[in-house]
Amino acid sequence: GNSVTQMEGPVTLSEEAFLTINCTYTATGYPSLFWYVQYPGEGLQLLLKATKADDKGSNKGFEATYRKETTSFHLEKGSVQVSDSAVYFCALTGAAGTASKLTFGTGTRLQVTL
Amino acid sequence: KAGVTQTPRYLIKTRGQQVTLSCSPISGHRSVSWYQQTPGQGLQFLFEYFSETQRNKGNFPGRFSGRQFSNSRSEMNVSTLELGDSALYLCASSYGTQNTEAFFGQGTRLTVV
Repeated sequence: GNSVTQMEGPVTLSEEAFLTINCTYTATGYPSLFWYVQYPGEGLQLLLKATKADDKGSNKGFEATYRKETTSFHLEKGSVQVSDSAVYFCALTGAAGTASKLTFGTGTRLQVTL
Repeated sequence: KAGVTQTPRYLIKTRGQQVTLSCSPISGHRSVSWYQQTPGQGLQFLFEYFSETQRNKGNFPGRFSGRQFSNSRSEMNVSTLELGDSALYLCASSYGTQNTEAFFGQGTRLTVV
């Protein structure tokens, strides 16, 4: 079945540091890939997405590129802020290519300090 | 446009009781999915409804059930609650079922004592 593997956290960075959170996946067919963010006490917010190979999703300074050859979708940001502290989840759609069943990674907690 | 609304936000129940959680999707969205989030198991898919029909179901016991109404609002029910059912239950809505974005509510925090 489908699966998503994320790097273990927590990740602790100083403000303005460069961020990379690794994500690799196993899936049949051609899934869409997503990054969601969860702030304390909140639900999930869609951060960015990519629907086909070589697509780059971007939002709020975050970027991720759909790499089919390495089955990866790593999240990057050039300069993190304290307000980016949250848990980040990599996810993919079900094998049928629908958004109806998301498979999530375990999440990576990011803590940004001054 | 209002987002996904889940009620109640917090709930405390006793073992053996049953509980019903509610989710109102974004206006115009017809697909509603439910997820369970726990520290040990992470985010796990429960089921998905589209136009009042269950389309997908995750690997949960029959104590977990759901339904969707004609206005797309959805409810999930858990009967004979166990301590392990304590979790954050998240609802997500999307417009359709083909590569459309899923928008999540803030969740219902269920504590079973």
